[in-house]
Amino acid sequence: GAVVSQHPSWVICKSGTSVKIECRSLDFQATTMFWYRQFPKQSLMLMATSNEGSKATYEQGVEKDKFLINHASLTLSTLTVTSAHPEDSSFYICSASSRGQGTSYEQYFGPGTRLTVT
Amino acid sequence: AQTVTQSQPEMSVQEAETVTLSCTYDTSENNYYLFWYKQPPSRQMILVIRQEAYKQQNATENRFSVNFQKAAKSFSLKISDSQLGDTAMYFCAFMNNNAGNMLTFGGGTRLMVKP
Repeated sequence: GAVVSQHPSWVICKSGTSVKIECRSLDFQATTMFWYRQFPKQSLMLMATSNEGSKATYEQGVEKDKFLINHASLTLSTLTVTSAHPEDSSFYICSASSRGQGTSYEQYFGPGTRLTVT
Repeated sequence: AQTVTQSQPEMSVQEAETVTLSCTYDTSENNYYLFWYKQPPSRQMILVIRQEAYKQQNATENRFSVNFQKAAKSFSLKISDSQLGDTAMYFCAFMNNNAGNMLTFGGGTRLMVKP
């Protein structure tokens, strides 16, 4: 149980276009979802936290107009990178947690999405 | 704000031997959780072990165990009988019980298990 999927696993887009990444909790209801960014050989950096049905809370330094997060249902959150530029190329990871699922505080991680902007 | 420090960027160990990865953290909170995650080359984050701060007993999961020193704010991971499949990045993480399940990660330790 507690499986989180991400789609796509790898996406290449041209500079100036937008790309959407989906994060789904497959067998539980995710009351909270988290989006991380990870550069090569570095740690995970939290970008934003989203609760179902409410606006995402962004970490300092993360542009909310560039990284649009939608958590429309208890099983789906999306991250849209708008007007992507090469510096947005990175590995994006989502995680989900839920009160009542396993240990109530644990985060379950998706497999990640590699974004390459050309 | 909490900080998590992993002072060993890279480590190596011979197969079947034991290795200890260090982690220290800084917090003013009393109720929190600590985790060790493994990130193999596939980059999928895998939970290795968790520790509730209110528990004095060190957590153990098969070959993995922790040495939790609350007063010293130290949370090291010991891997016994190292296996080639243990080769990965290891991240120590802190979660404040009152901060909505948010994790703060350390910088990571790259572990190489040599045959």
